[in-house]
Amino acid sequence: AQTVTQSQPEMSVQEAETVTLSCTYDTSESNYYLFWYKQPPSRQMILVIRQEAYKQQNATENRFSVNFQKAAKSFSLKISDSQLGDTAMYFCAFMSYGNQFYFGTGTSLTVIP
Amino acid sequence: KAGVTQTPRYLIKTRGQQVTLSCSPISGHRSVSWYQQTPGQGLQFLFEYFSETQRNKGNFPGRFSGRQFSNSRSEMNVSTLELGDSALYLCASSTTGADATNEKLFFGSGTQLSVL
Repeated sequence: AQTVTQSQPEMSVQEAETVTLSCTYDTSESNYYLFWYKQPPSRQMILVIRQEAYKQQNATENRFSVNFQKAAKSFSLKISDSQLGDTAMYFCAFMSYGNQFYFGTGTSLTVIP
Repeated sequence: KAGVTQTPRYLIKTRGQQVTLSCSPISGHRSVSWYQQTPGQGLQFLFEYFSETQRNKGNFPGRFSGRQFSNSRSEMNVSTLELGDSALYLCASSTTGADATNEKLFFGSGTQLSVL
């Protein structure tokens, strides 16, 4: 069975600083996809970034980037130049073929002005 | 293009009652999945429907059921409600599900269910 672990329940960062959220997963599959979703207080889950396991290059989306370590089964999210609007719950997710998603328990990020 | 729409936004029920939640996916999306979100537990997968058929199912009791209609709209039903069923229920839609290359979930804003 696939599992996703986020070991940091809460984190905080000063505005304009950089923060890294951790995620590890466990799977026996070789082909899969990894995601980071953001859930602000509005409750709307928003896709932040997506990584294909067969790609060695780390995905980036503007201020968001990942450090994907396939052998270590690690998928961390780096947020650069943190903004107040980044305050949210962040969920790491795994998807294998069969299209079932598995989510971690989330990390609550607070950006401090 | 309209997003994923969930109704109602809030529900208050008492133990033993049943409840039906509704989800309208993004136009053209044929896969609808449901998640239960509780503090500290993250998102727990309930089930996924594709073209009116349940394709995947999570580890929830039989009191939780769902269905999908021919227009891809989906409903989730919980019978004999328990206090522990209080949670945010999220619905998500995705495209055909046939090719995972560009697969991603689009979420609704959820239904907050409180069981008293």
